[in-house]
Amino acid sequence: GAGVSQSPSNKVTEKGKDVELRCDPISGHTALYWYRQSLGQGLEFLIYFQGNSAPDKSGLPSDRFSAERTGGSVSTLTIQRTQQEDSAVYLCASSSIGGGKGQPQHFGDGTRLSIL
Amino acid sequence: GQNIDQPTEMTATEGAIVQINCTYQTSGFNGLFWYQQHAGEAPTFLSYNVLDGLEEKGRFSSFLSRSKGYSYLLLKELQMKDSASYLCAPTRDKIIFGKGTRLHILP
Repeated sequence: GAGVSQSPSNKVTEKGKDVELRCDPISGHTALYWYRQSLGQGLEFLIYFQGNSAPDKSGLPSDRFSAERTGGSVSTLTIQRTQQEDSAVYLCASSSIGGGKGQPQHFGDGTRLSIL
Repeated sequence: GQNIDQPTEMTATEGAIVQINCTYQTSGFNGLFWYQQHAGEAPTFLSYNVLDGLEEKGRFSSFLSRSKGYSYLLLKELQMKDSASYLCAPTRDKIIFGKGTRLHILP
């Protein structure tokens, strides 16, 4: 597609349920990032993929969070046993190579997750 | 590690000039991005500096001093649509975002 696509755009779920968020990056982009942004706050780095491997997953807040990427394309972020503090906008970004080499990240519109 | 410092909020008047400063301490520094984020929207790329000096792009310019760990974003001829958050993002093997500066433009 022309841009980074994320689904769903909004997700409301009950505390304790599992959720799965999807990111479809720009075709050909090898690097993919997940961030979390709470209301009025900055971007919190979660995990970075280069191809299908994740050289940096240091931002995942707990073992309830996991992510995978298959075929060097689509990525899913899974949150198990959701808690109210997980409520935030989850943003996905992709770049043509690793972001540290000057290629800008292109962001999706995000998934707004609300935990009741 | 990394430590990024930029003002939380700034206010300026339509038609004026504003400078948003960013200081950082990033090991293995490669370059620095500036992003713009309107409320409720995703960030969009503004500029990337890898060498010292000023990069000009229309009404927006970005400056970098690698030795001082300092950058600024300069916005000229401010318009109401420039009301947004501006994110400073130094890079090493990945991009690290600061908390952003919320810029308010007054008519």
